[in-house]
Amino acid sequence: GNSVTQMEGPVTLSEEAFLTINCTYTATGYPSLFWYVQYPGEGLQLLLKATKADDKGSNKGFEATYRKETTSFHLEKGSVQVSDSAVYFCALRGGTNSGNTPLVFGKGTRLSVIA
Amino acid sequence: GAGVSQSPSNKVTEKGKDVELRCDPISGHTALYWYRQSLGQGLEFLIYFQGNSAPDKSGLPSDRFSAERTGGSVSTLTIQRTQQEDSAVYLCASSYSGARNQPQHFGDGTRLSIL
Repeated sequence: GNSVTQMEGPVTLSEEAFLTINCTYTATGYPSLFWYVQYPGEGLQLLLKATKADDKGSNKGFEATYRKETTSFHLEKGSVQVSDSAVYFCALRGGTNSGNTPLVFGKGTRLSVIA
Repeated sequence: GAGVSQSPSNKVTEKGKDVELRCDPISGHTALYWYRQSLGQGLEFLIYFQGNSAPDKSGLPSDRFSAERTGGSVSTLTIQRTQQEDSAVYLCASSYSGARNQPQHFGDGTRLSIL
């Protein structure tokens, strides 16, 4: 079945540091890939997505590129801020063109950014 | 508001009682999903609806769990004879359609605590 593996946290960075959170997946066919973020006390929010190979999703300074050859979707940001402190979830959906499928999530990576 | 609305936001109940959790999806979204978020298990898929039908109930953990959706809109997740292991945050999400490239938009969740 489909699965997502992301790096375990917690990750602690200083403000303005470079961020990478690794995410790899296992899926049949051509899944869509997503990053969701959960800020303290809030619900899950879609951060970015990519729906086909070599697509780059970007939002709020975060980027992730859909790499089919390495089955990866690593999240990056060049300069993190304290306000980026949250839990980040990598997720995939689908694998074939048929049917409606739920999201499959990684276990989440907690990021703490200190001033 | 325009987002996914869940109620109640918090629910504390005694073991053995029944509980009902409600989800009001984004207007016009045909697909609706229930997930559960707990410390030990991460984010788990429970059930999804396309319109009023539920093609995939595979994620429901036991026959004490059931869900329905009426009028293609509001959904109710019911847990009968609650157990302490049911304590978790129950998340609802909706998407415009079941297509795999459609992102799912999440509500803030219902935090369920079983005493």
